[in-house]
Amino acid sequence: DAGVIQSPRHEVTEMGQEVTLRCKPISGHNSLFWYRQTMMRGLELLIYFNNNVPIDDSGMPEDRFSAKMPNASFSTLKIQPSEPRDSAVYFCASSSATSGSLVEQFFGPGTRLTVL
Amino acid sequence: AQSVTQLDSQVPVFEEAPVELRCNYSSSVSVYLFWYVQYPNQGLQLLLKYLSGSTLVKGINGFEAEFNKSQTSFHLRKPSVHISDTAEYFCAVSESGGSYIPTFGRGTSLIVHP
Repeated sequence: DAGVIQSPRHEVTEMGQEVTLRCKPISGHNSLFWYRQTMMRGLELLIYFNNNVPIDDSGMPEDRFSAKMPNASFSTLKIQPSEPRDSAVYFCASSSATSGSLVEQFFGPGTRLTVL
Repeated sequence: AQSVTQLDSQVPVFEEAPVELRCNYSSSVSVYLFWYVQYPNQGLQLLLKYLSGSTLVKGINGFEAEFNKSQTSFHLRKPSVHISDTAEYFCAVSESGGSYIPTFGRGTSLIVHP
């Protein structure tokens, strides 16, 4: 299995621009998570989906952030408009609620976002 | 709600020395406990986990952790570290019977010197 795939790996954009981060979870996993990692705040859970349905988006910082999961193999995290304080590494993770290791999360390599 | 405290933000150690990374948690119910490792410019990967049973858990790369319910701790240990163990280590807890969504600690940076 290729693991969780994220694209792009690096994104540099200017303030005010729209940014879209993409994630392909591990095939067969039915839960997907978006995290943000910064030096100041550590690893923060932004939103998670179960069976493509958003369950908890209380970690989404503000309305500029939105996430979708149109099908079991694809999710996006969008920031519009982007601001310098959004600069961080964004991780996608997936897990399975059907196997014995239902509580383990598998992380992608992350997208390093820089907003100038 | 559960919480996790990693007591050390940074742990420097010499190669081949033993190391312990400390983790304490808070929860009102039974928990599952995890240690993840993050190498530079990579995502987190699972080192080991405690779900039930033996309180001493062995993981990959020679790491082990011991669940101590009375002290609400889950410290990570390795008897002899290598340069390649230099990484960020995260402790995480989730409540059994709940949503299984883990809460992560702030991380401990293990720096192994030659």
